[in-house]
Amino acid sequence: GQNIDQPTEMTATEGAIVQINCTYQTSGFNGLFWYQQHAGEAPTFLSYNVLDGLEEKGRFSSFLSRSKGYSYLLLKELQMKDSASYLCAVGNRGYQKVTFGIGTKLQVIP
Amino acid sequence: GAGVSQSPRYKVAKRGQDVALRCDPISGHVSLFWYQQALGQGPEFLTYFQNEAQLDKSGLPSDRFFAERPEGSVSTLKIQRTQQEDSAVYLCASSLTTGNTGELFFGEGSRLTVL
Repeated sequence: GQNIDQPTEMTATEGAIVQINCTYQTSGFNGLFWYQQHAGEAPTFLSYNVLDGLEEKGRFSSFLSRSKGYSYLLLKELQMKDSASYLCAVGNRGYQKVTFGIGTKLQVIP
Repeated sequence: GAGVSQSPRYKVAKRGQDVALRCDPISGHVSLFWYQQALGQGPEFLTYFQNEAQLDKSGLPSDRFFAERPEGSVSTLKIQRTQQEDSAVYLCASSLTTGNTGELFFGEGSRLTVL
């Protein structure tokens, strides 16, 4: 099975940087995803890490350490529109599904 | 259309009624997933199709839940004799790749409320 842990809620200030952590336990790790989900909307893809290290994409970066079962999503220059839930998800070799965590609800305040 | 389309967007059912939820994936996408998302939770996997083959249905909560994708394109999730605990948003996602290595494109979801 798989176990994914991430904080349920975070608050950060507009213009600041926030790091959302995710730890996971899985056999046959096959990649880690981050998705953004605004309230009442569909999740949208942010990043996919399969190798260790940092992947940067504009204001968003995602880091993976497979040996530690750890990832984080870094959001820079926060904007009000970044208020959303951020879902950490893991793929497992031998299965086709992607397993999602509970999501971290981020509130950006002025 | 350009994205994944789901219908109906909202469905209210009386307990015991049958419902059918439709998903129209992005054209050419091989993989199709159904997820159930309760309020304040992450999406929970229900079932996976690769083309018309249902390769994983381990997440279906009971034999009241049934899914099909007969021609490898449109999929239908059917829930028989609905119960209040079935109330949730049902998300459909499609992917160009097989399995769990590719980006999932989600539809807006079908919000089911069982009274």
